[in-house]
Amino acid sequence: EAGVVQSPRYKIIEKKQPVAFWCNPISGHNTLYWYRQNLGQGPELLIRYENEEAVDDSQLPKDRFSAERLKGVDSTLKIQPAELGDSAVYLCASSQGGQGSYNEQFFGPGTRLTVL
Amino acid sequence: AQKITQTQPGMFVQEKEAVTLDCTYDTSDQSYGLFWYKQPSSGEMIFLIYQGSYDEQNATEGRYSLNFQKARKSANLVISASQLGDSAMYFCAMRAEDSNYQLIWGAGTKLIIKP
Repeated sequence: EAGVVQSPRYKIIEKKQPVAFWCNPISGHNTLYWYRQNLGQGPELLIRYENEEAVDDSQLPKDRFSAERLKGVDSTLKIQPAELGDSAVYLCASSQGGQGSYNEQFFGPGTRLTVL
Repeated sequence: AQKITQTQPGMFVQEKEAVTLDCTYDTSDQSYGLFWYKQPSSGEMIFLIYQGSYDEQNATEGRYSLNFQKARKSANLVISASQLGDSAMYFCAMRAEDSNYQLIWGAGTKLIIKP
């Protein structure tokens, strides 16, 4: 079974440029998550999708960040324009979904973004 | 508010020794789940072990076990017979209703296994 796929793995851009990250979750997983992980810290949730619907985007900086999940499968996270403080690893994860305390999330390898 | 605390920023352990990584949590929920993930330098988060708040027995998965002390709100990860490949960041996380079932993460512990 293929895992969560993310691309690109690395991205270096200059500030004020746009950037986009792509994620393909595990087949059959209804829930998709985007996280940002700063160096030396745990991940922080940016947005969570249940199928096509963004059910939790309270921590997404909506002035410059946007995300979409067309047809409830692949997802794209965009930053426009990027700022120096956006340098981080962006992780995508997926799970089968549902409520309850057990819901194992499977993570992709992440995209390491460097903004110069 | 929910919180996960990992008090060990870094640890050095001799190969083949057992190691305990500390994790304490804070929640007002009665039903919650605790997770441990490993993040090697490649960046991918790898699920290791899960403990539910109502589970009576401590979770075990191969060389990993979780020392769950509910009254003390601690969920320490124990790795037996450590190997060089265990060198990585280790994160404790919690999921509960009062955080809308989001995973709340600790800051992690960097474990280095010495040969």
